[in-house]
Amino acid sequence: GENVEQHPSTLSVQEGDSAVIKCTYSDSASNYFPWYKQELGKRPQLIIDIRSNVGEKKDQRIAVTLNKTAKHFSLHITETQPEDSAVYFCAASILGGQNFVFGPGTRLSVLP
Amino acid sequence: SAVISQKPSRDICQRGTSLTIQCQVDSQVTMMFWYRQQPGQSLTLIATANQGSEATYESGFVIDKFPISRPNLTFSTLTVSNMSPEDSSIYLCSVEDQRRSYGYTFGSGTRLTVV
Repeated sequence: GENVEQHPSTLSVQEGDSAVIKCTYSDSASNYFPWYKQELGKRPQLIIDIRSNVGEKKDQRIAVTLNKTAKHFSLHITETQPEDSAVYFCAASILGGQNFVFGPGTRLSVLP
Repeated sequence: SAVISQKPSRDICQRGTSLTIQCQVDSQVTMMFWYRQQPGQSLTLIATANQGSEATYESGFVIDKFPISRPNLTFSTLTVSNMSPEDSSIYLCSVEDQRRSYGYTFGSGTRLTVV
């Protein structure tokens, strides 16, 4: 089955700097890669996703890149703000399928 | 995005008892998913619930321990049976949200503590 690895497990950045979180997956059939943000005590919230037919997607300060050949994808957050502090989870799945696997998470701290 | 009402939001239960968690979605969905999130950990899929058929369980989860009902396209329940302290966790339901580019939307979660 699918296996998703995520690095780093913790990340601290200064406010205004960029943050990058990387994930790798094992199942070449996976074609959908979402990123979730989970603040303390709250539900995971989808922040951005990418399908396998594109290599990059951007939404304001957040971008995701995908390298299908290498089976890895990354989340990029620019101009970080304290409210970006949270745990971020990547995931890999097959659209319409039931194989939805999350990475172990990255705890991001943005220091003022 | 889809609106999911999940209840209870939290409960403290005695070991050996059972708790049923409910999820109500504001639109019809084919599949509903149940996840467990242990403290400080990632999300682990327990099972997928399709209306009109038995739920599909992931490795390590069995129907006797986590029976699931899916009586219609907007509702599902997960029961945690014969609870032990190891079942203390957050349980979340989720749906594939076609209004959000097929991303998954989660319920607010049920924080279960077994004493």
